[in-house]
Amino acid sequence: AQSVTQLDSQVPVFEEAPVELRCNYSSSVSVYLFWYVQYPNQGLQLLLKYLSGSTLVKGINGFEAEFNKSQTSFHLRKPSVHISDTAEYFCAVSDPNSGNTPLVFGKGTRLSVIA
Amino acid sequence: EAGVAQSPRYKIIEKRQSVAFWCNPISGHATLYWYQQILGQGPKLLIQFQNNGVVDDSQLPKDRFSAERLKGVDSTLKIQPAKLEDSAVYLCASSLWEGVRNEQFFGPGTRLTVL
Repeated sequence: AQSVTQLDSQVPVFEEAPVELRCNYSSSVSVYLFWYVQYPNQGLQLLLKYLSGSTLVKGINGFEAEFNKSQTSFHLRKPSVHISDTAEYFCAVSDPNSGNTPLVFGKGTRLSVIA
Repeated sequence: EAGVAQSPRYKIIEKRQSVAFWCNPISGHATLYWYQQILGQGPKLLIQFQNNGVVDDSQLPKDRFSAERLKGVDSTLKIQPAKLEDSAVYLCASSLWEGVRNEQFFGPGTRLTVL
């Protein structure tokens, strides 16, 4: 079964500084990968996804992620964060070769942007 | 367009009581999901519907949890009787069709506290 490891439970960063949120997944022949954001008292919102093609994926709100098959990673990056980026971020994986498999989420990384 | 609606937003009950949550997906979305998100963890799929049929309920604790989507639109999730470990946020999501290539849109969730 697929699994996801988010290496940092909390990441504090100063406003306008760059940030990287790390995500590693269990090895598989092929995967679909996702990053979701959850603002306080709200549901999850899709930031970006990798299904195939270019390994550099651009998402909403200036975020991007790079799929690295050899390192089984899908780290999320933003060159300059804002206070409004403070939220919980979840990495998720699915196996496209196993029929209708559900999304498997990591435990989340809480990003705190400091003014 | 209107998003996924859930009610109630908050619920506090005592253990061994019953509780029900309601979800109204985005109009026209055939696939509906219920997730359980325990504090400090990522969401875990409980059950997935395609129209009014169950696609995946392998992680639903069927001795106490039940769900239905009788007319293929809105859905209810019930817990009877509740246990302390059921304290969590219950998220409903919908997508146009099944398969992870289709983006899931999440509701705000129902926060359940079992005392």
